[in-house]
Amino acid sequence: DSGVTQTPKHLITATGQRVTLRCSPRSGDLSVYWYQQSLDQGLQFLIQYYNGEERAKGNILERFSAQQFPDLHSELNLSSLELGDSALYFCASSTSVSSPLHFGNGTRLTVT
Amino acid sequence: EDQVTQSPEALRLQEGESSSLNCSYTVSGLRGLFWYRQDPGKGPEFLFTLYSAGEEKEKERLKATLTKKESFLHITAPKPEDSATYLCAVQSGSGNTGKLIFGQGTTLQVKP
Repeated sequence: DSGVTQTPKHLITATGQRVTLRCSPRSGDLSVYWYQQSLDQGLQFLIQYYNGEERAKGNILERFSAQQFPDLHSELNLSSLELGDSALYFCASSTSVSSPLHFGNGTRLTVT
Repeated sequence: EDQVTQSPEALRLQEGESSSLNCSYTVSGLRGLFWYRQDPGKGPEFLFTLYSAGEEKEKERLKATLTKKESFLHITAPKPEDSATYLCAVQSGSGNTGKLIFGQGTTLQVKP
């Protein structure tokens, strides 16, 4: 158990809809990272937050947004969903910029 | 642009048959190289961090090594429970972020 909790585990929704994925980091970790994993793309970095502020941005679509709350949990919002957004979405947390990332077990999103 | 390439994509071994997985990288100032193990439907599980060329780390049947251009994950006398996808990732020294850039992974199958 990595200590990173993601909910829900599975999400099935229709094209055009909006969903919210939630992540609780390990106790004491200030950084939260979001990754997308699809079969053909591997693990792609989306965005990082550190203590409530955006720290780094990767290949995140404009339809996607994230935030980190004062209690350090984070949410990833995906809107105007397309079939191609179907993937596993992982959250990870770390103690510092040199530390390894610890991953949750992901949310599997299926867009129909 | 930081890049990570892993080979082979897939590897089948008999139980007890030792082998190595390769991870070659280009990065602007390596802060760390990370190895993860990922089981189907689960998040990546942290194995090792290597920081400088010549460094080696061991854990049970796994040994990771690092040079200036690549890293190897040596698997000695593997068992069926070692079957998983092994992911390599780099952390760049540029920018104040701990984000990891991942390779596509090597899927290992160990047959009894």
